[in-house]
Amino acid sequence: GENVEQHPSTLSVQEGDSAVIKCTYSDSASNYFPWYKQELGKGPQLIIDIRSNVGEKKDQRIAVTLNKTAKHFSLHITETQPEDSAVYFCAASEGYSTLTFGKGTMLLVSP
Amino acid sequence: KAGVTQTPRYLIKTRGQQVTLSCSPISGHRSVSWYQQTPGQGLQFLFEYFSETQRNKGNFPGRFSGRQFSNSRSEMNVSTLELGDSALYLCASSLRGGQNSGNTIYFGEGSWLTVV
Repeated sequence: GENVEQHPSTLSVQEGDSAVIKCTYSDSASNYFPWYKQELGKGPQLIIDIRSNVGEKKDQRIAVTLNKTAKHFSLHITETQPEDSAVYFCAASEGYSTLTFGKGTMLLVSP
Repeated sequence: KAGVTQTPRYLIKTRGQQVTLSCSPISGHRSVSWYQQTPGQGLQFLFEYFSETQRNKGNFPGRFSGRQFSNSRSEMNVSTLELGDSALYLCASSLRGGQNSGNTIYFGEGSWLTVV
């Protein structure tokens, strides 16, 4: 089955800095790669996703890149703000709404 | 448009009891999937339903079961509860969830289950 590795497990940055979280996946059949943000006591909130026919996608301060050959994808957050502090999860899917998640990255943005 | 709704939000059960959790997907969404989240194992896929049929199942014992109704609402049941079943149970919905469809998947706020 699919295996998703996520690094780092914790990331501390100063407000205004950039943050990068990296994930690798094992199953070449995976074709959908979403990123979720989870705040304490809440469910995961989709922040951006990318499909296997696209190499990069951007939405304001958030961008995701995908390298199918190397089987890795990354989340980039620019101009971080304290409200970006949360746990971020990457995931991979080959369809049927089945997601395999990474272990998560706790992002701490200090004012 | 309402999001994915899960009930109850919090519950406490005793070992050996059973529990039923409910999920209402986003209007128009026909695929519902369930996930278990624990500090140790992270987010793990339980099962997925589409048009009242289970299409996919994760690696969980038979004590975990689910069903989907004709209106796409779903329930999951855990029988003979164990202490290790304490977790956040998350429901997610998507439009179709077919293979290679890359459907966007939205999560509810979850049901916090504590087994004592």
